[in-house]
Amino acid sequence: QITLKESGPTLVKPTQTLTLTCTFSGFSLSTSGVGVGWIRQPPGKALEWLALIYWNDDKRYSPSLKSRLTITKDTSKNQVVLTMTNMDPVDTATYYCAHFQIASNAFDIWGQGTMVTVSS
Amino acid sequence: DIQMTQSPSTLSASVGDRVTITCRASQSISSWLAWYQQKPGKAPKLLIYKASSLESGVPSRFSGSGSGTEFTLTISSLQPDDFATYYCQQYNSYLTFGGGTKVEIK
Repeated sequence: QITLKESGPTLVKPTQTLTLTCTFSGFSLSTSGVGVGWIRQPPGKALEWLALIYWNDDKRYSPSLKSRLTITKDTSKNQVVLTMTNMDPVDTATYYCAHFQIASNAFDIWGQGTMVTVSS
Repeated sequence: DIQMTQSPSTLSASVGDRVTITCRASQSISSWLAWYQQKPGKAPKLLIYKASSLESGVPSRFSGSGSGTEFTLTISSLQPDDFATYYCQQYNSYLTFGGGTKVEIK
């Protein structure tokens, strides 16, 4: 059974860097065809894809946020880490990590999400 | 960037109705289109992938169709559990979600 769980601060100040960790079980990020992505959702708004890392360490970023994002993986710890620099109140959102398969090019299993508020 | 436009943004329907939601891509994405259902306070759930493939465990009243730039999600007979918000998502090296369609009780 695949599970994912996000962890990180619930409150960050403007201009700070956000670091979120996705800890997963039930699969290995060294298995061909697998990836883990990050998606966010501001309160009452639509989903927004942020970043995706593949089993082969290939990485993709949202073009509009690319300069602020870094995604990395630690296969031995079953973790994926997302950092986002220069946080702003508009970045207040629920942040999800999700399991991705290239066979479907879709996120088939999602974490529960973690709410991050950006405020001074 | 590929933009995804969903319509309508809100849909009022009754139990038993046939419901259709449309998603248009700003350029061709072949069949790399997925549909998700999201209920308030919950993570999205994958319903359909590759435009028309039903995810395991998803009721057969959900179906998807389309290719290129125009796609549809159809619920053949709306059930009480189906009142939710639906999102499309494209894959073309990068990913984009549509703006969502809220299906509410008429």
